[in-house]
Amino acid sequence: AQTVTQSQPEMSVQEAETVTLSCTYDTSESNYYLFWYKQPPSRQMILVIRQEAYKQQNATENRFSVNFQKAAKSFSLKISDSQLGDTAMYFCAFMKHGPNNNDMRFGAGTRLTVKP
Amino acid sequence: DAGITQSPRHKVTETGTPVTLRCHQTENHRYMYWYRQDPGHGLRLIHYSYGVKDTDKGEVSDGYSVSRSKTEDFLLTLESATSSQTSVYFCATTSRARGSSYEQYFGPGTRLTVT
Repeated sequence: AQTVTQSQPEMSVQEAETVTLSCTYDTSESNYYLFWYKQPPSRQMILVIRQEAYKQQNATENRFSVNFQKAAKSFSLKISDSQLGDTAMYFCAFMKHGPNNNDMRFGAGTRLTVKP
Repeated sequence: DAGITQSPRHKVTETGTPVTLRCHQTENHRYMYWYRQDPGHGLRLIHYSYGVKDTDKGEVSDGYSVSRSKTEDFLLTLESATSSQTSVYFCATTSRARGSSYEQYFGPGTRLTVT
């Protein structure tokens, strides 16, 4: 079974600075999706960014970007110009590609605090 | 975002009582999921549905059952609640339409406490 590891339970960053959250995963699959979800104190799960494994180019969404290293099975999230509203739990998730697959695996999460 | 609601949003119940959580979606998504969220574990899949009356087990299905009689509704039942089922429960949906990204859309969550 696939496993997702987030080795940083908690992190903090000063407002306007850059922070990188780590994620590694274990799989023998070659085609899959990776996601970063944000969970603010409201508890709502919000998609931050997604990456298809077959795409070599790293995904970016405004201040959020990823460093996808397929051979190393690493998928880190970089948040630039951190804002107070970025304070949240961040979950890395993995999902195999395929119509019959329904198993999204999540990491344990990283709690990020942005300090003013 | 997909319109996904969960009811109730909070519930306190006693050990041994049955509990049913409801998930309702307005996006006509084919796939629906129930997860539980516990500290240190992230989200773990309990059951999922790939169509009306089509369901299957996930990673942590023991003690839970599900039903889906309509596309828009997915029910999670704890037949006899135990303290280990105290958790936050999330419903999610995805369309899996051709060309979709496999992104799952989440409901607001239900906090269940079993005393």
